[in-house]
Amino acid sequence: QQQVKQSPQSLIVQKGGISIINCAYENTAFDYFPWYQQFPGKGPALLIAIRPDVSEKKEGRFTISFNKSAKQFSLHIMDSQPGDSATYFCAASMNYGGATNKLIFGTGTLLAVQP
Amino acid sequence: DVKVTQSSRYLVKRTGEKVFLECVQDMDHENMFWYRQDPGLGLRLIYFSYDVKMKEKGDIPEGYSVSREKKERFSLILESASTNQTSMYLCASSSPAGGAYEQYFGPGTRLTVT
Repeated sequence: QQQVKQSPQSLIVQKGGISIINCAYENTAFDYFPWYQQFPGKGPALLIAIRPDVSEKKEGRFTISFNKSAKQFSLHIMDSQPGDSATYFCAASMNYGGATNKLIFGTGTLLAVQP
Repeated sequence: DVKVTQSSRYLVKRTGEKVFLECVQDMDHENMFWYRQDPGLGLRLIYFSYDVKMKEKGDIPEGYSVSREKKERFSLILESASTNQTSMYLCASSSPAGGAYEQYFGPGTRLTVT
């Protein structure tokens, strides 16, 4: 019930195209849904996040779409660039009790944007 | 800028050795986390700590222990390393005052157990 399922495992997109990564969850106790971006040799870094009472959040070329009834959310990268090539992880945040939140991560999507 | 540093980028150990992975953060964060990252499995939480000397098991604690004697330092210990613990280990920190979902990660330690 704590799983977050992510697809696809890998994705190849042409420069200027739209990259779409999908995630699904079961546990309705999750209270935030962040996306993390990881470049080779680096740790993941927060990219964008959404609360479950919002259906869409946009930051520059990155948009999260959230469907609460379907328990699904997705990351859209508009006008994809070679510099966007990285591994993307969706995650779901759960309050553990008090001040601590745990993150449950998806399995990751390796995005390659071809010039 | 938050900085999370890990003691080694690469580590090679033999089966049965005791292994220490160190993590230090410089932002006075209350929460610290240890994950392992494996291809196709994503990031899995091993242990976390929400205060000095406090620790909680994550999703895959077996074969690991942790120590947090100072707020800025969180150590992961493999009491007797095994080949199935070959992995990338990531440390992270967060603060309740910041976003509940925002964790800052170190660059990782790639551990190989032979």
